[in-house]
Amino acid sequence: EAGVAQSPRYKIIEKRQSVAFWCNPISGHATLYWYQQILGQGPKLLIQFQNNGVVDDSQLPKDRFSAERLKGVDSTLKIQPAKLEDSAVYLCASSTRDRFLEQFFGPGTRLTVL
Amino acid sequence: DQQVKQNSPSLSVQEGRISILNCDYTNSMFDYFLWYKKYPAEGPTFLISISSIKDKNEDGRFTVFLNKSAKHLSLHIVPSQPGDSAVYFCAPPWPGGYNKLIFGAGTRLAVHP
Repeated sequence: EAGVAQSPRYKIIEKRQSVAFWCNPISGHATLYWYQQILGQGPKLLIQFQNNGVVDDSQLPKDRFSAERLKGVDSTLKIQPAKLEDSAVYLCASSTRDRFLEQFFGPGTRLTVL
Repeated sequence: DQQVKQNSPSLSVQEGRISILNCDYTNSMFDYFLWYKKYPAEGPTFLISISSIKDKNEDGRFTVFLNKSAKHLSLHIVPSQPGDSAVYFCAPPWPGGYNKLIFGAGTRLAVHP
């Protein structure tokens, strides 16, 4: 079974630029999560999708962050414009609808904002 | 407001000895706890969990202990192996909605020969 795929693995941009991350979850997983992990901290949930609907986006900075999962499969997270404090690893995870505690994580995208 | 605290950022243990990783929490509504392990350049992977109706759960070399009155749990690894070197996160689900995991800051375990 293929795992959660993410791209790119690394991205370096300057502040005020835009950036987008892509995630393809495990086949058949209805729930998709985006986490932000700042250096020295644990992952923090940004947004959660159930199929193509948003379940929880309470910690997503909506003035600059957006995410979509149009066909209920892969997802894109965008930051526009980026700030220095957005430097972090962005992790995508997926789970089945009935076993949502066992989340399977992708390798993450390391974003550096200069 | 840190609801989940892993106060030891790092731990160094000799191969074959016991590793004990600690986690403290403040929200008495947490009733399920998960441990995730993370290797460099990889995403976290689920390791072991415990429900609040239990005080111990064992899976091979890994045992998690829960002390509800102290709001404290610990992960024991016996015997420790070099391949156990990773960052370990304590992650209870948000009470009332078992979808959002609240991760601690993690403890980096180094097991040396």
